[in-house]
Amino acid sequence: EDQVTQSPEALRLQEGESSSLNCSYTVSGLRGLFWYRQDPGKGPEFLFTLYSAGEEKEKERLKATLTKKESFLHITAPKPEDSATYLCAVRGNAGGTSYGKLTFGQGTILTVHP
Amino acid sequence: GAVVSQHPSRVICKSGTSVKIECRSLDFQATTMFWYRQFPKQSLMLMATSNEGSKATYEQGVEKDKFLINHASLTLSTLTVTSAHPEDSSFYICSARSSLTGLQETQYFGPGTRLLVL
Repeated sequence: EDQVTQSPEALRLQEGESSSLNCSYTVSGLRGLFWYRQDPGKGPEFLFTLYSAGEEKEKERLKATLTKKESFLHITAPKPEDSATYLCAVRGNAGGTSYGKLTFGQGTILTVHP
Repeated sequence: GAVVSQHPSRVICKSGTSVKIECRSLDFQATTMFWYRQFPKQSLMLMATSNEGSKATYEQGVEKDKFLINHASLTLSTLTVTSAHPEDSSFYICSARSSLTGLQETQYFGPGTRLLVL
């Protein structure tokens, strides 16, 4: 069974204080690791998809990296508007389907203080 | 990016009534749609997966007769909560996966529907 563990559960940063969020995973045949941002009372917003170890993707102040066991979401010089819950999910080959369901972690609640 | 809409965004109903939630992919065709449920301060829990033109696949513990799913077209899926009870109160979120090459791996989420059963 695919498993995703995110840490820390909550992270408080001062504006401009860079940090990283961790996503550890076990999956049967990784077919994609996904990062989403979720604001309170809203659906998740897609950020990145990573497919293979060593891959990196960037968007504004966010950078996602991937190894065979974990992914990091690096936040550089965060701003208060970056405050949200960040969700990590994996899709594997479980069940023999080519495009299986996503397994989500519990999320990291990020708060950036001005 | 791909856009997924949900309607209604909020609904309040009396216990015992049924509620229908619509999920639409606005700018792409979705061969597969997913329905999730999210409790406060918890992550998303997959309820069921639906493919256009076929029966939905429900996750273990989800009652298929209570949560009726219809994926009538490549842009529309509906979730009907039948005979709703207060314990069904939750945040329901749909997600759609594009059938277009290059977008197929990514799931895009709707804004969610807040259901309150009195």
